[in-house]
This record gives sequence, structure tokens and C-alpha cells, in this order.
Amino acid sequence: DAGVTQSPTHLIKTRGQQVTLRCSPKSGHDTVSWYQQALGQGPQFIFQYYEEEERQRGNFPDRFSGHQFPNYSSELNVNALLLGDSALYLCASSLEWTGSSYNEQFFGPGTRLTVL
Amino acid sequence: AQSVTQLGSHVSVSEGALVLLRCNYSSSVPPYLFWYVQYPNQGLQLLLKYTSAATLVKGINGFEAEFKKSETSFHLTKPSAHMSDAAEYFCAVSPNNFNKFYFGSGTKLNVKP
Repeated sequence: DAGVTQSPTHLIKTRGQQVTLRCSPKSGHDTVSWYQQALGQGPQFIFQYYEEEERQRGNFPDRFSGHQFPNYSSELNVNALLLGDSALYLCASSLEWTGSSYNEQFFGPGTRLTVL
Repeated sequence: AQSVTQLGSHVSVSEGALVLLRCNYSSSVPPYLFWYVQYPNQGLQLLLKYTSAATLVKGINGFEAEFKKSETSFHLTKPSAHMSDAAEYFCAVSPNNFNKFYFGSGTKLNVKP
């Protein structure tokens, strides 16, 4: 089992550009969450996808959007990049919570985005 | 609303000494609490979780944490530090549907030989 995989590993963009980050969940997982981890800070929740729908969203502007595909993989898109968008972007996958027990959230290694 | 405060952005201990990393939370609903570890250039790995069962939770690598509702705390401890424990540790809280996690700002643990 490859676990959660993310691509690319590193990315350099300039202000105003657009970027797409990709995530493949752990085998069997149907729920994908995205987090932004700025340098020296803890991860901040961006949004969560389940059944190809955005289910929850954190305090991020509309420039941040996402998508989940039928195979449960997901993309994070960021438009009109700002210097402050430079961060490690983490993807996490889990099984949909059924209400009976907690299903662990597994994290990928992240994509390091640098905006110049 | 949920939030997490980790006291001490850097903690340094000697190998073999007690490790204590502090976490306090605020939550408007009964919380679920987690500790994660992050090694350089890697994602987060779950150390342990509190999901309303026993208040003393044992995790991997000899770590444990105690949920104290009266103190709104969930401090992480390990009796004897090992060099391999050097990493950054994050405390997190989630509402009871696990749809959103709130992380603290992290504590970097340094272990001196």
C-alpha cells in the first residue's frame, strides 16, 4: 500500500500565477482533506471532499478551490498566487466516519509551494 | 469554536529524560484530541488519540497523554527521551464528526546526547 501520495514534491511559481496540486488517497479511503502549513506554523484546514463534493471549508478565500474525482483522488487549485501562499500543502485521507468509531486520517508528505 | 494552544515552541531535553509537551484546547463541544509527529520533509504521523474512552491514552513509541477536562489539557509525555524522538509535535482537536481538524502551532523537540 503506497499510502497517501502527493505531486509534485516541490513547485516554484510567481505571483499572479495559478497552481494545481494533486493527491491520491490511501487505498480504500473515500475522504480527502487539504491543509496549508506555513513555515513555523501548524497545519490549517482548507477544505474536505467526500463523494466529489466539498463538505467542509476553512477560512480560506475563493482563490482556493478543489475537486475530487470518482476514484477519490483530489486536486487543490490556487488562483492569483500571493507571496503569502508559500507553504507546505498537505493532503490527508480517511474513511467516511460512520458514527461508530474514529477512522484515522493519514497524511501525505506534502507539496512545498514557493511563490516568488 | 475549537482551538489549540501549545506552550513552548521549542523544548530541549537530554536523552533519557522525561519529555513533557503541553497542549491546551478550547472546544464548544466534547472534543476529540490528537497528537501528531512530523519529521523533516515528511507528513504528519498519528501518535495517539483521545476519543472519549479512557482518559489516559497510550500511543506509539512509548508516548502517552492524559485528557483532563477540568484543566482543558491534553499534555504529551514520554518517560525517557530517545534521540529518534527529535521532531516537531502537533496537538489537534476535532469536533465529533472529524470533518475538520484544528492544529496547534507545534513544538519542536530537541534531544541532547
